Amino acid sequence: AQSVTQLGSHVSVSEGALVLLRCNYSSSVPPYLFWYVQYPNQGLQLLLKYTTGATLVKGINGFEAEFKKSETSFHLTKPSAHMSDAAEYFCAVSGPNTDKLIFGTGTRLQVFP
Amino acid sequence: NAGVTQTPKFRILKIGQSMTLQCTQDMNHNYMYWYRQDPGMGLKLIYYSVGAGITDKGEVPNGYNVSRSTTEDFPLRLELAAPSQTSVYFCASSETSGSGNEQFFGPGTRLTVL
Repeated sequence: AQSVTQLGSHVSVSEGALVLLRCNYSSSVPPYLFWYVQYPNQGLQLLLKYTTGATLVKGINGFEAEFKKSETSFHLTKPSAHMSDAAEYFCAVSGPNTDKLIFGTGTRLQVFP
Repeated sequence: NAGVTQTPKFRILKIGQSMTLQCTQDMNHNYMYWYRQDPGMGLKLIYYSVGAGITDKGEVPNGYNVSRSTTEDFPLRLELAAPSQTSVYFCASSETSGSGNEQFFGPGTRLTVL
């Protein structure tokens, strides 16, 4: 079985500060890991994903995430927050030969000026 | 490409009424999905389809039905609406599954059952 835990349902940062959104996963098979972003009143769009290969993954809008197998983590970071980053962020897991994407409960990011 | 489109955007239903949420994709994707999103709960998979004529249950299928007569369309049917079905519904599609392919999401349908 697979599952995802996102620590912190709300995160607030100042503009220009580091963004760190935490995601831990559980998977009995090699995981595929995703971060999606949802802007207000919109659907989800893919930020980045890890399937195989390089464990540091770069995505859109300056975000990146590192797959750490030993810690079962896939935390999302951005060096300098922008006001436009305010949104809800979802971590998700799937795997080889798995049809379903399992989502975490989401983290709402607020950015203050 | 319009991507994944959903209609309607908003709907209010009375208890016991029925309705169909429409979903269409123009990317020729084989896989399509229906999720519901409730506050603090993330997204839960209702039904999915791996191709025309093939559907299967997800995590929370009770109270819903789907069909997939064409590659493009994947409607979700609520037969007897209940307050517990108040939610935001998202349709998604992907080229294949099980290989880390991105799911593309529609803009959602916000449903309220009173």
